Amino acid sequence: QVQLVQSGAEVKKPGASVRVSCKLSGYILSQVSIHWVRQAPGQGLEWMAGFDGETLYAQRFQGRFTMTVDTTSGTTYMDLTSLRSDDTAVYFCATDIGFTRFDDWGQGTLVTVSS
Amino acid sequence: SYVLTQPPSVSVAPGQTATITCGGDNFGSKSVHWYQQKPGQAPVLVVYDDGDRPSRIPDRFSGSKSGSAATLTITRVEAGDEADYHCQLWDSNIDHYVFGSGTRVTVL
Repeated sequence: QVQLVQSGAEVKKPGASVRVSCKLSGYILSQVSIHWVRQAPGQGLEWMAGFDGETLYAQRFQGRFTMTVDTTSGTTYMDLTSLRSDDTAVYFCATDIGFTRFDDWGQGTLVTVSS
Repeated sequence: SYVLTQPPSVSVAPGQTATITCGGDNFGSKSVHWYQQKPGQAPVLVVYDDGDRPSRIPDRFSGSKSGSAATLTITRVEAGDEADYHCQLWDSNIDHYVFGSGTRVTVL
């Protein structure tokens, strides 16, 4: 059974950095691609980045966002730097087993940026 | 980049049929997928590849696609179907995943 377990909620001040983690079980990373999806309050879903041997970013998330993958532990990380209030969102990890869709999702991590 | 347009909201009475549209440039061979998201929860895939259904999803959920529109249909709507629904496809031109803006389904 596939499981994606994310780290807990974070509250940060503007300008700070945060790391969100997502641990995959039930698959090994070579079997799937793993992705980050953002959902701002009251808004839709937005694909940020994905790893399938190499990392690909959506254009608007290039720069302050870095996705890394530890293939040994099956854990992926999203580092967000120079946080702004509009980075306040729920961040989901999700897997694609090769069919251009997201079959499994983590529970989401709320990142709140507030002074 | 590819843009998918959904109506912000759809209201439907219990037992009736809800139809949610997802518009874009000619979809061609692109597969459209649909997710249900209840408040405070992660999205759940309800329809994939335009009209196929994961085994755990009831057959009240169906999807179709024609030209520049994809449609998610929910028949015999129940109170538990109240949620946000998001369409999604993969834009092979730029290797990006694209989501629609989401539609809130309200059961009256």
